[in-house]
Amino acid sequence: DAGITQSPRHKVTETGTPVTLRCHQTENHRYMYWYRQDPGHGLRLIHYSYGVKDTDKGEVSDGYSVSRSKTEDFLLTLESATSSQTSVYFCAHTGGGTDTQYFGPGTRLTVL
Amino acid sequence: AQTVTQSQPEMSVQEAETVTLSCTYDTSESDYYLFWYKQPPSRQMILVIRQEAYKQQNATENRFSVNFQKAAKSFSLKISDSQLGDAAMYFCAYRSALLGNTGKLIFGQGTTLQVKP
Repeated sequence: DAGITQSPRHKVTETGTPVTLRCHQTENHRYMYWYRQDPGHGLRLIHYSYGVKDTDKGEVSDGYSVSRSKTEDFLLTLESATSSQTSVYFCAHTGGGTDTQYFGPGTRLTVL
Repeated sequence: AQTVTQSQPEMSVQEAETVTLSCTYDTSESDYYLFWYKQPPSRQMILVIRQEAYKQQNATENRFSVNFQKAAKSFSLKISDSQLGDAAMYFCAYRSALLGNTGKLIFGQGTTLQVKP
């Protein structure tokens, strides 16, 4: 256990509906990340956070927003889900510096 | 921008044999970290090994070792005495070590390793 959980673990939704994925860490780490995993692409960074209310975009941020109101929680929101957002989503955290990045168990999202 | 490339989508190895997974990267930075992560069917991302670019010595973790060639920007993973539990997807990843970096990882496309009994 890397001190990080994600919810839900699986979700099926319809095009156009809003979706929020939750990431929770118990390590009091400063940095948190959301990645998506797609075949042939590995994991790609969507957004990241470097503190409460401090977030920035990654390489595939279009269609996603994030929020971090507490150190331990990092939310990823799809305002209006599209089929291209069908993917596996991973949250990760690190204390920064030379720390290793640890990953949550992933959320499989299917947008019909 | 940094990139990471894994040119072998799939590899297979006989149990107890040795296999090497390839990874190349591109960066203009001189200080960085490189990682190999394992993703078994459970989907959990598991850190296998980590290499700091300023260290010339290749990292080793039990049956896992790397061949780090900084000038060639190559970072291969060698798995010795392969076991059935090694079957997984393996990802190579890069992270900057510059002061103020955000710790974000840049991943390769992944290599699926099959281990044959």
